Amino acid sequence: QKEVEQNSGPLSVPEGAIASLNCTYSDRGSQSFFWYRQYSGKSPELIMFIYSNGDKEDGRFTAQLNKASQYVSLLIRDSQPSDSATYLCAVYRASSFGNEKLTFGTGTRLTIIP
Amino acid sequence: DAGVIQSPRHEVTEMGQEVTLRCKPISGHDYLFWYRQTMMRGLELLIYFNNNVPIDDSGMPEDRFSAKMPNASFSTLKIQPSEPRDSAVYFCASSLRGRLIGGTEAFFGQGTRLTVV
Repeated sequence: QKEVEQNSGPLSVPEGAIASLNCTYSDRGSQSFFWYRQYSGKSPELIMFIYSNGDKEDGRFTAQLNKASQYVSLLIRDSQPSDSATYLCAVYRASSFGNEKLTFGTGTRLTIIP
Repeated sequence: DAGVIQSPRHEVTEMGQEVTLRCKPISGHDYLFWYRQTMMRGLELLIYFNNNVPIDDSGMPEDRFSAKMPNASFSTLKIQPSEPRDSAVYFCASSLRGRLIGGTEAFFGQGTRLTVV
């Protein structure tokens, strides 16, 4: 089982609609969760992160975390063509020795249709 | 700060040759990560360092891969000998422990696109 799993897509969403991206993880000791956006040919950049159960909103983006279900999602409201990219879910864990590790899923390719 | 700097941006080499990828992390960051990205496998963690010390190299695919961090401002990833299946984009990222409550944000370099023919 992969540590972090995402549906590879592609996911097509009409402009103005809500895009919903999902991610599951296997390590119950994972402490926080990150969503990165990666445009084609570019490096990943952080959109937002969450570490408490529930929802966290930042502008048009909402991250949702359910640790019991080991599930994290990203909602994008009022989708714009500029949101078309690959979205990477990343899971963070600090070891008992204090070292930190960030593990990524394979990403979901999102296309916003004008 | 200029961000994480990787070189070269593109590398084309023949099978069997040695390849060295370079990374300069953001000044003051104490973690450095090497990732490899392919269409099939996504972004895979190869190895990471904390304060120049390798912590976890379980992602290094085989003995042909090695990484070093001789000081806080420089790291290399070496492949010797290279094979066509090593073709991928290699990213270096750095982070500062404790920068965010509950986690750490990794800042990525622009990547090195490696093609082994």
